[in-house]
Amino acid sequence: DAGVIQSPRHEVTEMGQEVTLRCKPISGHDYLFWYRQTMMRGLELLIYFNNNVPIDDSGMPEDRFSAKMPNASFSTLKIQPSEPRDSAVYFCASSLQGSSYEQYFGPGTRLTVT
Amino acid sequence: GNSVTQMEGPVTLSEEAFLTINCTYTATGYPSLFWYVQYPGEGLQLLLKATKADDKGSNKGFEATYRKETTSFHLEKGSVQVSDSAVYFCALSDLPLNTGNQFYFGTGTSLTVIP
Repeated sequence: DAGVIQSPRHEVTEMGQEVTLRCKPISGHDYLFWYRQTMMRGLELLIYFNNNVPIDDSGMPEDRFSAKMPNASFSTLKIQPSEPRDSAVYFCASSLQGSSYEQYFGPGTRLTVT
Repeated sequence: GNSVTQMEGPVTLSEEAFLTINCTYTATGYPSLFWYVQYPGEGLQLLLKATKADDKGSNKGFEATYRKETTSFHLEKGSVQVSDSAVYFCALSDLPLNTGNQFYFGTGTSLTVIP
């Protein structure tokens, strides 16, 4: 399997622009997670899905952030409008119920908002 | 609630030194415990896991034992190498009470191994 795929790997944008991050989970996995990692705050869970349904979005920092999972093989995290404090590495992870729930992480998207 | 506390870094060791990174947890149910490793510029990778008390997870010379009596899951390696330089995360998943498969991660411990 190719593992969790994220795109783009790097994104540089100006404040106020819309940013869309993409994730393809491992085929057959039924959980998908979005995390944000910064030096100051460490690894934060933003939202997760089970069978394409959002289960907990309490980690989404503001209404500027939204996430969707239209099907089992694709998810997006959108920031609109972006701000400099959104600069971070965003990780997507997936897991399969019944497999000890270990999560498999993608390589991350490094977002820089200027 | 559920939480994980791991020792703060950074940790700097000489090659072939013994490594211990402490991790303790708080859980409401019967958690599975994990160590993840993050190499520079990469995502987190599962290093090892233990799913019940007294289980020992091991991989690549690293090991950790699930100690329910002390609520700990300390990571150890007998002889570190330069290639072990990375950030290490302790994590728990609160099975089987879990209804959402959420992980709880520690803050990470940065390890640098010098030749």
